[in-house]
Amino acid sequence: ETGVTQSPTHLIKTRGQQVTLRCSSQSGHNTVSWYQQALGQGPQFIFQYYREEENGRGNFPPRFSGLQFPNYSSELNVNALELDDSALYLCASSGPTGAENTEAFFGQGTRLTVV
Amino acid sequence: SQQGEEDPQALSIQEGENATMNCSYKTSINNLQWYRQNSGRGLVHLILIRSNEREKHSGRLRVTLDTSKKSSSLLITASRAADTASYFCATDAGGTSYGKLTFGQGTILTVHP
Repeated sequence: ETGVTQSPTHLIKTRGQQVTLRCSSQSGHNTVSWYQQALGQGPQFIFQYYREEENGRGNFPPRFSGLQFPNYSSELNVNALELDDSALYLCASSGPTGAENTEAFFGQGTRLTVV
Repeated sequence: SQQGEEDPQALSIQEGENATMNCSYKTSINNLQWYRQNSGRGLVHLILIRSNEREKHSGRLRVTLDTSKKSSSLLITASRAADTASYFCATDAGGTSYGKLTFGQGTILTVHP
């Protein structure tokens, strides 16, 4: 158990719909990162939030957006879902920025299927 | 883009044997981390090696890092059936990219009882 909780575990959505995925980070961690993992691939960095502000973004379109709350939990929102958005979405929490060389703790992921 | 490239893509061994997985990367790093993933679920952190370290041990795991060759290897000794999983290397460039991991494609390890 990493202390990082994601919900829901599985989700089926229709193309064009919107989805919100949630993540509760490990206690004491103020940095949350989101990753997308397509089947058979390694995870790809979507974006990172630090103290409620976006702190870096990978190569994902603006329809992928996020939020971080004062308690450091986070949401990933995806608008106008496409079939290629079907993937495992992983949330990772880590220690304060500046405390480098610390590991990231991952949740169990949300499996999103777009039909 | 995927910076890390794992080799081999798949590895099948018998229980008790050693398993070696390799990872290459392209740009400068602050640290390199290895993760395990069971059945497409969450990632479990195995070991972190800093750019100024050359070797690190944790239980049955040994990781080496060669920054001149931009490569790392993960050795699992005396493997067990429970080690069956996908293994990923991930690089952290540090600085403004701190915590933004770049993963490889992974190595699928199968350990036969």
